[in-house]
Amino acid sequence: DGGITQSPKYLFRKEGQNVTLSCEQNLNHDAMYWYRQDPGQGLRLIYYSQIVNDFQKGDIAEGYSVSREKKESFPLTVTSAQKNPTAFYLCASIGPGRMYTGELFFGEGSRLTVL
Amino acid sequence: EDQVTQSPEALRLQEGESSSLNCSYTVSGLRGLFWYRQDPGKGPEFLFTLYSAGEEKEKERLKATLTKKESFLHITAPKPEDSATYLCAVQTYNNNDMRFGAGTRLTVKP
Repeated sequence: DGGITQSPKYLFRKEGQNVTLSCEQNLNHDAMYWYRQDPGQGLRLIYYSQIVNDFQKGDIAEGYSVSREKKESFPLTVTSAQKNPTAFYLCASIGPGRMYTGELFFGEGSRLTVL
Repeated sequence: EDQVTQSPEALRLQEGESSSLNCSYTVSGLRGLFWYRQDPGKGPEFLFTLYSAGEEKEKERLKATLTKKESFLHITAPKPEDSATYLCAVQTYNNNDMRFGAGTRLTVKP
């Protein structure tokens, strides 16, 4: 079945460590997104990529980095520069020609906790 | 600045008790408004897209409507399996990304 796979589902990090969250899709979608979700707040956009080898910052990119070397993969690195990284991270993609339909496909999320 | 506000934050209903969730927005040039359902610990699942005032979309017990300032998600005779957080999001002509509201957490008791 086609979909988006995020891993790991749960991750614990010590302060000062970088961690990388994986996002893989087999939907053949060009555009991919990373969102952060905190309790009582809406999803906030971290980074997005519309094609391979190209990506743009979202509203809260500071302390995060991404790469897009393959169409299927869009990993997110949470660096030690991110002041408050504990959150639920969601990866999403959208199909060609669907950009204005709002039909984002989401993965199941990765919950990061900083100890 | 574009803003999306959802109310109430939480709603508890008895099975069969119909109600509505609200999403009010302040944006420059609305391109589309979207509703999602999110179960605990999962990613959101797309429900509806609305583009213009007066438009309505239906799916099972859910009906979404849109005015120039807000959208409603009407739930008719809800069942316990409708319990979830419902998110709305807007997209404007200024950019391609979406701005999400904080969501309404719906609980339907049997």
